[in-house]
Amino acid sequence: GESVGLHLPTLSVQEGDNSIINCAYSNSASDYFIWYKQESGKGPQFIIDIRSNMDKRQGQRVTVLLNKTVKHLSLQIAATQPGDSAVYFCAENKNSGYSTLTFGKGTMLLVSP
Amino acid sequence: NAGVTQTPKFQVLKTGQSMTLQCAQDMNHEYMSWYRQDPGMGLRLIHYSVGAGITDQGEVPNGYNVSRSTTEDFPLRLLSAAPSQTSVYFCASSYSAVGFEQYFGPGTRLTVT
Repeated sequence: GESVGLHLPTLSVQEGDNSIINCAYSNSASDYFIWYKQESGKGPQFIIDIRSNMDKRQGQRVTVLLNKTVKHLSLQIAATQPGDSAVYFCAENKNSGYSTLTFGKGTMLLVSP
Repeated sequence: NAGVTQTPKFQVLKTGQSMTLQCAQDMNHEYMSWYRQDPGMGLRLIHYSVGAGITDQGEVPNGYNVSRSTTEDFPLRLLSAAPSQTSVYFCASSYSAVGFEQYFGPGTRLTVT
């Protein structure tokens, strides 16, 4: 079937390398950000989130950095594994009334053994 | 818990036909939403609900109707399908409208001919 990865920016890394996926968000009033991972044929899966009163948050093998000055979000994956191959989306809560997440277009991560 | 379930997984419709995509969650989440995903476009919000009896439009609501009579269910109706509605549809739910991760279902792949 058609891949949601068509036309996406792609990051190719070797197994064991550290990966950094970047995201520029649009609204300086956004107060909550999430990274999702989507494997082929599946729904998005939560990785990590961060609120706007923080600039860094760490999880298991993942770190999210938030730079509000330049409206930039990054996801760092340590010791990347072939199972990390997927499309990664950032999403922001634009904090306008009821919460609705606005998703970026995604980055495809390809990890070769 | 089954989490978020969607039926059907695949569907082919002819232009002008109607159908309902089903979504259910068993986590007692108050917030539910529908997204469509097209290649290179990321996820776009169609409609969302902040509780039983309350729904609102997202970014791309035209051609779709929703209702929320129970906490568990949030069906999406296509009244007269068009080829432009060919897409993968995801339902999601979260504990609250503000600042909580959304859990996604496995998706429904819809083709309109």
